[in-house]
Amino acid sequence: AQSVTQPDIHITVSEGASLELRCNYSYGATPYLFWYVQSPGQGLQLLLKYFSGDTLVQGIKGFEAEFKRSQSSFNLRKPSVHWSDAAEYFCAVGARAGGTSYGKLTFGQGTILTVHP
Amino acid sequence: DAGVTQSPTHLIKTRGQQVTLRCSPKSGHDTVSWYQQALGQGPQFIFQYYEEEERQRGNFPDRFSGHQFPNYSSELNVNALLLGDSALYLCASSLAGGAALRELFFGEGSRLTVL
Repeated sequence: AQSVTQPDIHITVSEGASLELRCNYSYGATPYLFWYVQSPGQGLQLLLKYFSGDTLVQGIKGFEAEFKRSQSSFNLRKPSVHWSDAAEYFCAVGARAGGTSYGKLTFGQGTILTVHP
Repeated sequence: DAGVTQSPTHLIKTRGQQVTLRCSPKSGHDTVSWYQQALGQGPQFIFQYYEEEERQRGNFPDRFSGHQFPNYSSELNVNALLLGDSALYLCASSLAGGAALRELFFGEGSRLTVL
C-alpha cells in the first residue's frame, strides 16, 4: 500500500528566508509524486509533479522539488519565501490505474506554512 | 475556460440524513474523482468515475455512492450521515486515455457539517 509522511505539521519562516518542506513516501513501484498547495477554504492547486526523468523538477511560484529514490523523499524547496506563500502544503503519491487515467492519489497530512514579515 | 465547479459550497445536515454533492469537471475532462478532507487532515480518496462507472474505490463504506452522467458531471451521495462525515468534499477531474499520467484539477470543495 502506498503512503506519504510529512514529518512537519507546522513550519514558520521569515519572509525572504529559504524553505524546505519534507516528504517521504512508500510505494512499491516507480512513484508518481506531486506537491499541492491549499489556501484556507480553497481547493488544491498543483505546484509541481514528478513522473520520470530529471529528478529536480521546477514548479509554479518559484518552487522546486527533488526526487531521491534512495531516501524515498520528495522535498519541496523555495529559495526565498513571500508572505503570499503562507498556506498548507500537501505531498501526494499517485498510482497508475490500468493504463487509463491514473488512479487514486494518497496524500500526506499536510504542512502548514506561516510566514513572518 | 471553466475549471472544476462544485455545489453546494456549504451545507449543514443532521445525523441520519442523506446528502448529494455535485461536480462539473473541467471542460474536456472525462474522469471525476472524489476526495474527503477532514479538518486537519490530507484528502482521502473516495472513488473515481470514468465512462459512467465506478473505476476505483477507496476505503469508504457503502453509504458513500456516486454517479457519473453522460456529460461527465458527477454526484456524490452519502446516506445515513454520521458526525464523522463532516468534512470538505473535493472533486477532481482529469482526462483519461493512453498510458500517460494525467493531471488532476480540483474544485474548491463542498463543506459538509453534520450536527
